[in-house]
Amino acid sequence: GQQVQQSPASLVLQEGENAELQCNFSSTATRLQWFYQHPGGRLVSLFYNPSGTKHTGRLTSTTVTNERRSSLHISSSQTTDSGTYFCAPHQGGRALIFGTGTTVSVSP
Amino acid sequence: EAAVTQSPRSKVAVTGGKVTLSCHQTNNHDYMYWYRQDTGHGLRLIHYSYVADSTEKGDIPDGYKASRPSQENFSLILELASLSQTAVYFCASSDGLGGDTQYFGPGTRLLVL
Repeated sequence: GQQVQQSPASLVLQEGENAELQCNFSSTATRLQWFYQHPGGRLVSLFYNPSGTKHTGRLTSTTVTNERRSSLHISSSQTTDSGTYFCAPHQGGRALIFGTGTTVSVSP
Repeated sequence: EAAVTQSPRSKVAVTGGKVTLSCHQTNNHDYMYWYRQDTGHGLRLIHYSYVADSTEKGDIPDGYKASRPSQENFSLILELASLSQTAVYFCASSDGLGGDTQYFGPGTRLLVL
């Protein structure tokens, strides 16, 4: 089945720094989503990005489908970016498979 | 934004007891999902449903049953709760099977003693 690896497992940033989160998966994914989990537990969808590059605010997601990888770039990090980021590729006919996440901590 | 609610928000159960977690969505979505999250880990799919009165097994269905009595409601049932089922449970809904944005509920913290 689909295996998802995210790196790094955790990341500590000073406010204003940029960060790059990586996601690699074992099988070709027809679709892929990035999620953010608040420290309190709430999950929100950031991107639905099966291929190419998408932007929202200070976040950029780039997925290279044939290389089975995706990245999430955070620019000018803020303390409110702290939390856990999950990559979840979708293999045809199945639901999302979540990676183990990257925990980001941004200090002022 | 689409709305998914869960009840209860937290629960303490005894080993061997029956637990029912409820999920309600007002998004008019066909697909609903139950995931569990263990501390420090990602989410794993337990059961999902794409139509009322029908459920499908996910990746870790053992020890769980699901019920979809209507498009809006999806329940997760632990007939005989065990210590290993202590986790946070999330419900989600979407238009398509993984192909569209999934909207998550706030989660239910279950502690089995």
